[in-house]
Amino acid sequence: EIVMTQSPLSLPVTPGEPASISCRSSQSLVDRNGYKYLNWYLQKPGQSPQLLIYLGSSRASGVPARFSGSGSGTDFTLKISRVEPEDVGLYYCMQGLQAPWTFGQGTKVDIK
Amino acid sequence: QLQLQESGPGLVKPSETLSLTCTVSGDSITSSNYYWGWIRQPPGKGLEWIGSIYYSGSTYYNPSLKSRVTISLDTSKNQFSLKLKSVTAADTAVYFCARGKRVTISGVITGLEAWFDPWGQGTLVTVSS
Repeated sequence: EIVMTQSPLSLPVTPGEPASISCRSSQSLVDRNGYKYLNWYLQKPGQSPQLLIYLGSSRASGVPARFSGSGSGTDFTLKISRVEPEDVGLYYCMQGLQAPWTFGQGTKVDIK
Repeated sequence: QLQLQESGPGLVKPSETLSLTCTVSGDSITSSNYYWGWIRQPPGKGLEWIGSIYYSGSTYYNPSLKSRVTISLDTSKNQFSLKLKSVTAADTAVYFCARGKRVTISGVITGLEAWFDPWGQGTLVTVSS
């Protein structure tokens, strides 16, 4: 099984400032077609996870442009260009290359 | 708008079988573009994929749970279901159902699901006597 490791696990942020979360996989998430099978989710308090980014860098429908995904191989990053108060919650990366699908431990983002 | 809603008992006794149903509205579960999956989250912990089903009835499960899990679907009701047998306290969790999207490459739908979207609101199942 592919192991997903996120860092940091806790990220205090200041509204208006940028933030980034790292996700590392135990093996490459790029297939032979060049697709990057790495997704990002945000789980707001008391809610179910919502898709932010799929296939490494594609924003899901309705996701603000301040969220961006990048990376390749085994190292991926989620960036928030300017944090808004509503961005607090748990962020998870997930690999979709090889079953069983696996998630990172989660990164808790809260306001300083 | 696609919506998924989990339903089932919130309390299950140890050694018994946990049974949940996910009702899908706003889309048909017979679409070839998607799988339909179950994911769980123990209190205060991370996410664990349980298993998924395709409209054909084809299933695949997390090896860590495979011996205890059965996922089935009822196309007439646009629902799919989860059964987890011989539960223990370690199975206490919020259970989510979700739609799994397959990737389209050069116009061809390929592979298994690559991401989950959307998710249901989740339902807490507690295993306790």
